[in-house]
Amino acid sequence: DGGITQSPKYLFRKEGQNVTLSCEQNLNHDAMYWYRQDPGQGLRLIYYSQIVNDFQKGDIAEGYSVSREKKESFPLTVTSAQKNPTAFYLCASSIALAGPKNYEQYFGPGTRLTVT
Amino acid sequence: KNQVEQSPQSLIILEGKNCTLQCNYTVSPFSNLRWYKQDTGRGPVSLTIMTFSENTKSNGRYTATLDADTKQSSLHITASQLSDSASYICVVSAHDYKLSFGAGTTVTVRA
Repeated sequence: DGGITQSPKYLFRKEGQNVTLSCEQNLNHDAMYWYRQDPGQGLRLIYYSQIVNDFQKGDIAEGYSVSREKKESFPLTVTSAQKNPTAFYLCASSIALAGPKNYEQYFGPGTRLTVT
Repeated sequence: KNQVEQSPQSLIILEGKNCTLQCNYTVSPFSNLRWYKQDTGRGPVSLTIMTFSENTKSNGRYTATLDADTKQSSLHITASQLSDSASYICVVSAHDYKLSFGAGTTVTVRA
């Protein structure tokens, strides 16, 4: 999992509660990402950050929020506004934005969130 | 809309046999194509990254090919091992921040 840690591995919450997923990297990467993975679907981008104190919405940002106060940390909050929060959440990082360049994107081990 | 389609959805092979996974994409303009291996309940791990000018790339028993004209890629696994049981994800990027992910092919290797 290459220097990216996510905690906890499993998380259970009641509907209507906000929950924050942790993501930390010690790779000195500028870019960090949050993805959501659902069965039978490709990973979908929630938010990404190119640099500290900057972040941008991805394809499915509604009901989620992030912060990037430190280079190594990019926590994701799943709010009660997210209609279907139960999913596997993956954090990733790369030295810079991975899309236009061949930069390696390293993924964390993931957090499985279950909301009932 | 940029799309990445993978086939088959799943396959079962016997240990020691070879297999080939397919990836077709409509992403444009194309920048690079990646193959990842994802073990159950874990994060994806990169196998190969190929640019427009590369048509084949190997990583041990994994060989990826790319035909940018037909927008197709394949991942060949040689002499499969039980540890190859995983989901294999094709990812294509355009000239922006975004990576387009396929849904993956689940490979099960049986002894």
